[in-house]
Amino acid sequence: AQSVTQLGSHVSVSEGALVLLRCNYSSSVPPYLFWYVQYPNQGLQLLLKYTSAATLVKGINGFEAEFKKSETSFHLTKPSAHMSDAAEYFCAVLVLTGFQKLVFGTGTRLLVSP
Amino acid sequence: DTGVSQDPRHKITKRGQNVTFRCDPISEHNRLYWYRQTLGQGPEFLTYFQNEAQLEKSRLLSDRFSAERPKGSFSTLEIQRTEQGDSAMYLCASSQRTDTQYFGPGTRLTVL
Repeated sequence: AQSVTQLGSHVSVSEGALVLLRCNYSSSVPPYLFWYVQYPNQGLQLLLKYTSAATLVKGINGFEAEFKKSETSFHLTKPSAHMSDAAEYFCAVLVLTGFQKLVFGTGTRLLVSP
Repeated sequence: DTGVSQDPRHKITKRGQNVTFRCDPISEHNRLYWYRQTLGQGPEFLTYFQNEAQLEKSRLLSDRFSAERPKGSFSTLEIQRTEQGDSAMYLCASSQRTDTQYFGPGTRLTVL
């Protein structure tokens, strides 16, 4: 079964510091992977996706993620955190079994301090 | 592209009451999904429609839950005889023949 694991339920950084949110996947087939962001009491907004093209994927708001097959990882990074980046981040894998459903990790809450 | 919309945004109800939520997908999207998100967790898949046909239901969807998508446009999710354990955020997403699902703002249900 396809799944993702997010390491760290909370990550705290200072404004201007590097953001690194970790995601590892488990899949017997080449995965389609996604990062979504969720602000309080709102739905999920797509940050970026990997669909077997370039391994380094650039998304919105300065975020990017690198697909590493050897490490089964798809970590999310941003060089310089901004206060507005404080939110919950979810990694997800697309399960391709007749129809397409997303299987999400448990999420990582990013806290940004001034 | 007006995005996925959901109504209501918040619903407070008493245990045992029935509730119904509505989702309007992006207009040209033929695939529609419902997910449920409890506090501190990622969303979990509930059910999937392709056009008006409900093609998949999760085991999470008990007999008290029913979803419809008449005419393949908007969808409704009804919960009968609500229980406190039904309290959650109910998210709707839509997609076309692509891999990307676009989510609505969600309906937060509180069962007292």
